[in-house]
Amino acid sequence: ETGVTQSPTHLIKTRGQQVTLRCSSQSGHNTVSWYQQALGQGPQFIFQYYREEENGRGNFPPRFSGLQFPNYSSELNVNALELDDSALYLCASSSPDRSIGQYFGPGTRLTVL
Amino acid sequence: KQEVTQIPAALSVPEGENLVLNCSFTDSAIYNLQWFRQDPGKGLTSLLLIQSSQREQTSGRLNASLDKSSGRSTLYIAASQPGDSATYLCAVPFSGGYNKLIFGAGTRLAVHP
Repeated sequence: ETGVTQSPTHLIKTRGQQVTLRCSSQSGHNTVSWYQQALGQGPQFIFQYYREEENGRGNFPPRFSGLQFPNYSSELNVNALELDDSALYLCASSSPDRSIGQYFGPGTRLTVL
Repeated sequence: KQEVTQIPAALSVPEGENLVLNCSFTDSAIYNLQWFRQDPGKGLTSLLLIQSSQREQTSGRLNASLDKSSGRSTLYIAASQPGDSATYLCAVPFSGGYNKLIFGAGTRLAVHP
């Protein structure tokens, strides 16, 4: 059984640029969620994808967008980067069944200068 | 609206102590509760998942209890070791139409030799 993987590990961008983060879900899981974690805080839900459709969204602006592919891997895209977008971005895989829990990847550290 | 609170925010103890970390939630209609460990700058490692029908779960030196009626969970760490130093997060699933997690801000634990 393979775990959740994310790439890249670290990324440095400048304000106004665009970024794409990638995630491969754990085998057997068809749902991917993305979270943003600022320093010293708990992760905040960005959105979730199930069967290639957005299945729920947190309080994030439209410049945060995503995709899910037929193999259940996913991308998070952020346009017009702002300094406050600097954070650890976490991907979690699960199923729609809440009893299973969610399993996280190692994260991507994004720094916006 | 579900809110999750963790107390204390930080804890520093000598090696060998038994510890209790606390997590409270405002909406008792939860499916389960999940405890995670996070090392600095890293992703989340799932430690224990307690279903709403369970009172506790154990894994090695870790024991987590759940009292839905009072909106509380505790994570007990026996005979703490320096390797236990990390941030511990608890999370509950959103009760709405999709499977997202709502996190506390975490307890930052330091165990010194």
